[in-house]
Amino acid sequence: EVQLSESGGGLVQPGGSLRLSCAASGFTFSSYVMNWVRQAPGKGLEWVSVISGSDGTTHYADSVRGRFTISRDNSKNTLYLQMNSLRAEDTAVYFCAKAQSRDIGVTAFDYWGQGTLVTVSS
Amino acid sequence: DIQMTQSPSSLSASVGDRVTITCRASQSITNYLNWYQQKQGKAPNLLIYAASSLQSGVPSRFSGSGSGTDFTLTISSLQPEDFATYYCQQSYSIPWTFGQGTKVEIK
Repeated sequence: EVQLSESGGGLVQPGGSLRLSCAASGFTFSSYVMNWVRQAPGKGLEWVSVISGSDGTTHYADSVRGRFTISRDNSKNTLYLQMNSLRAEDTAVYFCAKAQSRDIGVTAFDYWGQGTLVTVSS
Repeated sequence: DIQMTQSPSSLSASVGDRVTITCRASQSITNYLNWYQQKQGKAPNLLIYAASSLQSGVPSRFSGSGSGTDFTLTISSLQPEDFATYYCQQSYSIPWTFGQGTKVEIK
């Protein structure tokens, strides 16, 4: 059974940093593209970032490029999101999501974690 | 970026009703369109991928159609557990984008 479990969320001041983790199990983690998707309170879904399975190719939404860094440790079956220079508008539940595909491209998100809440406030 | 527009934003329906939600892309995305269901406080769940392919484990009352810029999600006979918010998402080009959501409520 595929399982994804996020951790690392919390309250942080504007300008601060936070690192989210997503522990994966039940599939060959290194073979699949992984994503972060966020949802601000009461709002819709926003794709944040993607990383390929093995060659480390990454892409970011314009809203986070230069501030957030996605990475993965295939030996630990764990996905990360390093978030720096946080702003109030980054407040959201952050989900990790597995892609159906082994390649970055035309793919859906077939498994999601339960999400972790990040609140940016003074 | 490709903009995704869903309609309606919300609807009220009764158990047993046929429900249709539409999604329009700002440019052609061929068939790279996915549908998700999200219940309150939960993670989204993939229903339909590639416009019309039913995800494993999803009931057959859910179906998807369309290509190019116009797509439809249909629930043939609404069940109590289907009351939720539904999102379309294009996977044609990065940044992948979602529609604003359609909330299906009990009439």
